[in-house]
Amino acid sequence: KNEVEQSPQNLTAQEGEFITINCSYSVGISALHWLQQHPGGGIVSLFMLSSGKKKHGRLIATINIQEKHSSLHITASHPRDSAVYICAVRSNFGNEKLTFGTGTRLTIIP
Amino acid sequence: SAVISQKPSRDICQRGTSLTIQCQVDSQVTMMFWYRQQPGQSLTLIATANQGSEATYESGFVIDKFPISRPNLTFSTLTVSNMSPEDSSIYLCSVVASPNNEQFFGPGTRLTVL
Repeated sequence: KNEVEQSPQNLTAQEGEFITINCSYSVGISALHWLQQHPGGGIVSLFMLSSGKKKHGRLIATINIQEKHSSLHITASHPRDSAVYICAVRSNFGNEKLTFGTGTRLTIIP
Repeated sequence: SAVISQKPSRDICQRGTSLTIQCQVDSQVTMMFWYRQQPGQSLTLIATANQGSEATYESGFVIDKFPISRPNLTFSTLTVSNMSPEDSSIYLCSVVASPNNEQFFGPGTRLTVL
């Protein structure tokens, strides 16, 4: 069983739909990252969370430490949101290494 | 935040040759990492680049194959040596930046080995 699991693996939606991507992890963590990777390969850091909720534009990320679960929401989705979204956790063992989920491939259809 | 640039952005290389990838950060950072992402896979940590000392390699990665330099707190290089088609991947530089210890990634180097 992977330490970080994401669902769904693939998601196709119509433009304007509300999108939710889920991440569950099995280890104690100091922080959770949501990352975005476009087809060119570069990775953008969207959020770093250790508790609660963060919002940036149309993106919202939440985390429930007790349930070891985080969600990434996209409101009013747009074709430019099409990308792979990756959840990554930093363990609370004192090093800075990240453990990555396998990613969710999101496609928004105009 | 930290802005990271990598050179080259992509390359096509012949089997048996070596390629050196450069990573430049716009601020001084303590922690710098090199990752590999093979086609269709998630990221795998190759090593932690340590300033002024030898890099710390993860299981399955060795210095002879992936020598790393880190001469200062803003720059590092990763060399992929004696390349084979299995080395075809995206190689990403990453840093942890103060004050929040958020992790940032470079644009990646897409390597194809023929």
